[in-house]
Amino acid sequence: EADIYQTPRYLVIGTGKKITLECSQTMGHDKMYWYQQDPGMELHLIHYSYGVNSTEKGDLSSESTVSRIRTEHFPLTLESARPSHTSQYLCASSDRDRGHYGYTFGSGTRLTVV
Amino acid sequence: AQSVTQLDSQVPVFEEAPVELRCNYSSSVSVYLFWYVQYPNQGLQLLLKYLSGSTLVKGINGFEAEFNKSQTSFHLRKPSVHISDTAEYFCAVTPNSGGYQKVTFGIGTKLQVIP
Repeated sequence: EADIYQTPRYLVIGTGKKITLECSQTMGHDKMYWYQQDPGMELHLIHYSYGVNSTEKGDLSSESTVSRIRTEHFPLTLESARPSHTSQYLCASSDRDRGHYGYTFGSGTRLTVV
Repeated sequence: AQSVTQLDSQVPVFEEAPVELRCNYSSSVSVYLFWYVQYPNQGLQLLLKYLSGSTLVKGINGFEAEFNKSQTSFHLRKPSVHISDTAEYFCAVTPNSGGYQKVTFGIGTKLQVIP
């Protein structure tokens, strides 16, 4: 079944730790995205990718980085986690030629930095 | 640039009653419009989309939405809600031109279906 997977679902980590949030999709989509979601606020785009070796920063300033070495994999890394990074992170993908037809989202990673 | 306003942060409704979730947008260009649903502890799932053509769009789970260009609205409706419709609903808009275009999401409306 084609889908998009995020791991871990929940993560509690101490300040200063390095973390990587995983995102993989089995649909062969070229475009992938990372959004940050906080209660009562609109989703904020933090990174996106058009394809392998393509990454761009989104609208929201973020201290995270991403990589796109394989089409199906789009991990997000925080080199040094801080309490301000506490949030839900959503990964999404879309077909290159049908990006305006909607996104497929993963189930999210809820990150808590203590 | 575009923006999305979801006028109600929470909407309580009794089971089997009709519901309307309101969405207004602003944009200097023509747009595509979307509604997504997010169930607790899940990601967003596409409910329906308006790209062109008929202004009444039908989606999954019995939901429909009507695009009103003069009022710049895209309200979501369901004639009879079920307990399982309890979720958060997000309206989204993106310009309908080619290339990468930013998708702007609203802040969401929580639909609470009361037994």
